[in-house]
Amino acid sequence: DSGVTQTPKHLITATGQRVTLRCSPRSGDLSVYWYQQSLDQGLQFLIQYYNGEERAKGNILERFSAQQFPDLHSELNLSSLELGDSALYFCASSVGASSGNTIYFGEGSWLTVV
Amino acid sequence: AQSVTQLDSQVPVFEEAPVELRCNYSSSVSVYLFWYVQYPNQGLQLLLKYLSGSTLVKGINGFEAEFNKSQTSFHLRKPSVHISDTAEYFCALAGGTSYGKLTFGQGTILTVHP
Repeated sequence: DSGVTQTPKHLITATGQRVTLRCSPRSGDLSVYWYQQSLDQGLQFLIQYYNGEERAKGNILERFSAQQFPDLHSELNLSSLELGDSALYFCASSVGASSGNTIYFGEGSWLTVV
Repeated sequence: AQSVTQLDSQVPVFEEAPVELRCNYSSSVSVYLFWYVQYPNQGLQLLLKYLSGSTLVKGINGFEAEFNKSQTSFHLRKPSVHISDTAEYFCALAGGTSYGKLTFGQGTILTVHP
């Protein structure tokens, strides 16, 4: 158990809909990351927050948004869903924001868009 | 730009045999290197990491990796594998201005046969 908690574990939704994935980082970790894992793209970095502020942005679509709240939990919002958004979405956390920190991953949220 | 290449997408091996999973990287700045393991239907677990110092890094479950700067490689090895090592292994790097985010390789599926 990494200490990173993600909900829901599985989600099935229709095209055009909007979903919210939730993440609680490990106790004491200030940095939260979101990754997408799919068969064709592999593991892709989406976005990083540190202590409530956006720190780095990766291959995140404009239809997707995220935020980190004062209690440090984070949410990833996916809207106008397409079939190609079906993937495993990981949340991860680390103590600091810089390179070299060990990043701990949750078990992921499986999103299926039908 | 930074990139990670895992040279084998699948590696089959018999139980108690040695194994090497190969990873090459590309970066114009100093990097930190990681190996993660993903068991079926689970999240990513850190096996080991190289930050600095000794180029031979020992991790959990009997795995080790060697950082080779001249060959830009970070191969993962285990002298004797078990059935329970069957999983997908990911090499990743962080460094430069990446603000802690990891860039992953495409993964290597290790299958250990009895």
